[in-house]
Amino acid sequence: AQTVTQSQPEMSVQEAETVTLSCTYDTSESDYYLFWYKQPPSRQMILVIRQEAYKQQNATENRFSVNFQKAAKSFSLKISDSQLGDAAMYFCAYRTYSGGGADGLTFGKGTHLIIQP
Amino acid sequence: DTAVSQTPKYLVTQMGNDKSIKCEQNLGHDTMYWYKQDSKKFLKIMFSYNNKELIINETVPNRFSPKSPDKAHLNLHINSLELGDSAVYFCASSQGAAETQYFGPGTRLLVL
Repeated sequence: AQTVTQSQPEMSVQEAETVTLSCTYDTSESDYYLFWYKQPPSRQMILVIRQEAYKQQNATENRFSVNFQKAAKSFSLKISDSQLGDAAMYFCAYRTYSGGGADGLTFGKGTHLIIQP
Repeated sequence: DTAVSQTPKYLVTQMGNDKSIKCEQNLGHDTMYWYKQDSKKFLKIMFSYNNKELIINETVPNRFSPKSPDKAHLNLHINSLELGDSAVYFCASSQGAAETQYFGPGTRLLVL
């Protein structure tokens, strides 16, 4: 079974600075998908970024980018120019490439990101 | 124009009762899911369902059952509620197994 590990229960960063959240995973598969979801206090789960394992290029979405190291099974999220609205729980998630079956996401335990004004 | 909606948002009930949580998606997706988020914020898949198969997480008690009247709905029925069932339950959907999952707003269930 796949596992996802987020080793930082909580991180704090000054507004406008850059922060990196770490995520490692364990799998024997070669094709899979990785995600970062954000959960603000409203508890809504919001997709931040998605990465396909077969793509070598790191995904980016505006101020959010990932460092995907497939051999090391590492998938970190970098948030540039941190804003107060970035304060939330961030979850790293893994999804197998099941080729048609309905498989769910495997989540890490989350990192609580605090933005200091 | 909510993409994935759940009702109710909050549910308070007594131990032993039976309750249902409804989920509807208007995205035209063919795959739907239920997740449980416990008090420590840990999210775990409970069920995945498309028109081909239902995948049940082996740790889910059989008191929980998903029911899908059509492709746009996947409701969660819970029988004989226990204190440990208190959690936030999220519905999600995706177009196909490989595509991004979009989540509903969650239902906070409190069993007294």
